[in-house]
Amino acid sequence: SQTIHQWPATLVQPVGSPLSLECTVEGTSNPNLYWYRQAAGRGLQLLFYSVGIGQISSEVPQNLSASRPQDRQFILSSKKLLLSDSGFYLCAWSVLRLAGKNEQFFGPGTRLTVL
Amino acid sequence: QKEVEQNSGPLSVPEGAIASLNCTYSDRGSQSFFWYRQYSGKSPELIMFIYSNGDKEDGRFTAQLNKASQYVSLLIRDSQPSDSATYLCAVKVPGNQFYFGTGTSLTVIP
Repeated sequence: SQTIHQWPATLVQPVGSPLSLECTVEGTSNPNLYWYRQAAGRGLQLLFYSVGIGQISSEVPQNLSASRPQDRQFILSSKKLLLSDSGFYLCAWSVLRLAGKNEQFFGPGTRLTVL
Repeated sequence: QKEVEQNSGPLSVPEGAIASLNCTYSDRGSQSFFWYRQYSGKSPELIMFIYSNGDKEDGRFTAQLNKASQYVSLLIRDSQPSDSATYLCAVKVPGNQFYFGTGTSLTVIP
């Protein structure tokens, strides 16, 4: 069965510090991978998605970046965090089964607080 | 971003009643439709998905899709206190993106 891991689970960082969040998926090959952010009391905002190694699509221009160095690894980074970067960061995966039919599953998330 | 709209609630129903959650979406090209349950402090959990017009039932859950009206709903029968959570509607558009509504908070009162 498929499993998705995220770490760290929680993180407190000062404004202006760098960020690196990691996500790995087990039990599947060539998944689509996604990064979302959920601000307190808000919905999920799609940040980045990737359909393969080195292929990153950005949804929202901001001070975050993403990389996919391996098939089942997805990394979210920032050089300098802002207060507005605080939130619950969720990694998700999906695999296309038939045309238009693919479900998406989430990891446990990383709760980031920027002070 | 594509718009997915949900009533934020909160929605309160007594235990054993039917809870009805609604969602509309703006992109007529949307292909797939999903309902997630999210408990406070946890990540979303997929509970239903539907691809074709009509109803899809799974246990106490029924998803309904009307593509002409761009409307998706979730019915929860025999609601239990453990169903108390935020329910997120999501759509997949052509391509690889999924877009989410802001969620409806449901409270089931014992």
